[in-house]
Amino acid sequence: VMTQTPLSLSVTPGQAASISCKSSESLLQSGGRTCLYWYLQKPGQSPQLLIYEVSRRFSGVPDRFSGSGSGTDFTLKISRVEAEDVGVYYCMQGLHLPFTFGPGTKVDIE
Amino acid sequence: QVQLVESGGGVVQPGTSLRLSCAASGFIFTDYVVHWVRQAPGKGPEWVAVMSPNGDIKFYTDSVRGRFTISRDNSKSTLYLEMNNLRTEDTALYFCARDPILDRPDYFDYWGQGTLVTVSS
Repeated sequence: VMTQTPLSLSVTPGQAASISCKSSESLLQSGGRTCLYWYLQKPGQSPQLLIYEVSRRFSGVPDRFSGSGSGTDFTLKISRVEAEDVGVYYCMQGLHLPFTFGPGTKVDIE
Repeated sequence: QVQLVESGGGVVQPGTSLRLSCAASGFIFTDYVVHWVRQAPGKGPEWVAVMSPNGDIKFYTDSVRGRFTISRDNSKSTLYLEMNNLRTEDTALYFCARDPILDRPDYFDYWGQGTLVTVSS
């Protein structure tokens, strides 16, 4: 089971934001990879990959996005929120099928 | 660039069938694991099914196993989802998604725009 906090977040542009994701089991794979991913679903769009394997930014993702954590506890940080960052952020475990998502954190701009 | 374009959605009655398609381009389709993921209105994404590059391995989420069948035609770079005995709870936007890991299910790096399936009497 994946949980996220907070479920909603209102941020002033330029401020930092942080989202927590917790898994009910360790997401550390036997080969040493940790199978935790972050997606952003902007309004009216399909989800897009932001972060893979806890902390690796996907191609084209701005460096204001960063991921950290290990085992069961993970965090997504946005160093300086911009208007284009609004949407719902989901963490997902890819350790085993069925892949499962957290409930989502809705981020909007104050 | 990687593109995934779903089609085939629509409004159907409970108990009927529908076949979704996902046309892939911009990458070597035959090399990749591909998934179906759905999102019910106002809910988060839910993984549905996955298929290996040559089609010999398939997995399904419990709620669709026995009713849905994932398949692919590598000569057409197309993924399919045959949905039978549809239920109202299958109502969702259905996405196909590519998995960047070539030999096992792992995660999704590219998603299509989705096709809407509405099951209603």
